[in-house]
Amino acid sequence: TQLLEQSPQFLSIQEGENLTVYCNSSSVFSSLQWYRQEPGEGPVLLVTVVTGGEVKKLKRLTFQFGDARKDSSLHITAAQPGDTGLYLCAGERSGSSYKLIFGSGTRLLVRP
Amino acid sequence: KAGVTQTPRYLIKTRGQQVTLSCSPISGHRSVSWYQQTPGQGLQFLFEYFSETQRNKGNFPGRFSGRQFSNSRSEMNVSTLELGDSALYLCASSYQTSGSTDTQYFGPGTRLTVL
Repeated sequence: TQLLEQSPQFLSIQEGENLTVYCNSSSVFSSLQWYRQEPGEGPVLLVTVVTGGEVKKLKRLTFQFGDARKDSSLHITAAQPGDTGLYLCAGERSGSSYKLIFGSGTRLLVRP
Repeated sequence: KAGVTQTPRYLIKTRGQQVTLSCSPISGHRSVSWYQQTPGQGLQFLFEYFSETQRNKGNFPGRFSGRQFSNSRSEMNVSTLELGDSALYLCASSYQTSGSTDTQYFGPGTRLTVL
């Protein structure tokens, strides 16, 4: 059973469309991070959210941490082909022996 | 500043063999974590080393082991390889101060194929 559930698993959209990726859990996290991974490379950190209800914006990307710190979302406005990649959420839990717990990932394809 | 480097980038082994992967963290980073990424299970935490000591450990069998040297470079070893060990092995380093939320920087990974 995945501790962090990501949805959707796959997303293929046209350039210019908006999209939202969800990351849900029944567990509380002290922080949640979003990464993007491209083929042949390791994940690259996009943002870290720490406070319940926190919203962070990174150009056309908006990240939100749920009030209860159990879920998060990533919204992309006017997607571009350069946004194509694997998006991963990862949670950090206080007192856990696990460094980071990753979601299953959302593979995004933005068609020109 | 140079990023995290991993060697080798690609490796092909046969069942029963053992393998050692290497990771050089970003200069000044003291924490090195290892992850296994497969299409079926996604990214899973293997272990973390800090100041030459294993600090955290994921849920992997004892065939998976690691160590960290005084210069923070780390190696992981997998003995008695199984087909299911085929994966991308990622190393991540961080500066890591105790109790703080940490930014991890990932290397490009080592693609291991077990035949």
